[in-house]
Amino acid sequence: QVQLKESGPGLVQPSQTLSLTCTVSGFSLTSNSVHWVRQPPGKGLEWVGAIWSGGSTDYNSALKSRLSISRDTSKSQVFLKMNSLQTEDTAIYFCTRSYYGFAYWGQGTLVTVSS
Amino acid sequence: DVVLTQTPPTLSATIGQSVSISCRSSQSLLDSDGDTYLNWLLQRPGQSPQLLIYSVSNLESGVPNRFSGSGSETDFTLKISGVEAEDLGVYYCMQATHAPNTFGAGTKLELK
Repeated sequence: QVQLKESGPGLVQPSQTLSLTCTVSGFSLTSNSVHWVRQPPGKGLEWVGAIWSGGSTDYNSALKSRLSISRDTSKSQVFLKMNSLQTEDTAIYFCTRSYYGFAYWGQGTLVTVSS
Repeated sequence: DVVLTQTPPTLSATIGQSVSISCRSSQSLLDSDGDTYLNWLLQRPGQSPQLLIYSVSNLESGVPNRFSGSGSETDFTLKISGVEAEDLGVYYCMQATHAPNTFGAGTKLELK
């Protein structure tokens, strides 16, 4: 069945780089897009970016200068890298599959930016 | 970027009451392929978001049919016909027509 699971460090120091991995199963990355969404504590959902089935990417306008999304189709993994992290980047980061809507989500991983 | 304005921000309802949530877009969400990629999601406390409706009015598999979506271009509505206790949480509209994709600010459904 379709599953997505986020992994990464729980704590990142300010100004450092965040690296997250979304490991998927039950579908192919070459025929589905995967999106990243984040949610600061107590706040709403924010779309971060996506990698499309063909490998192209789109990013949140406010984050694009710091953000990179890539993938390894052989390992069924999607990667998010964000540099120059600030406290405002503290959030739960979700990955989700887009296929007739966003029906499948990971459980999310909390990233705290703190020294 | 497309701005989605959801109203009301908070909704208080009794069990069995019917309620509606509005989502207005700053530009048309009708794609050049003829589809309109406006989705509705529910996030219960401590959980990942759950897809309710995709492409304006299509009910996701397994979602109760008391949920319905309607609208076109820039004006969209989610209706719950008879709120149940399990429906409490925050509802989001989300557009995937234009890049970057965007979410509305959310509508919190509470028990009155």
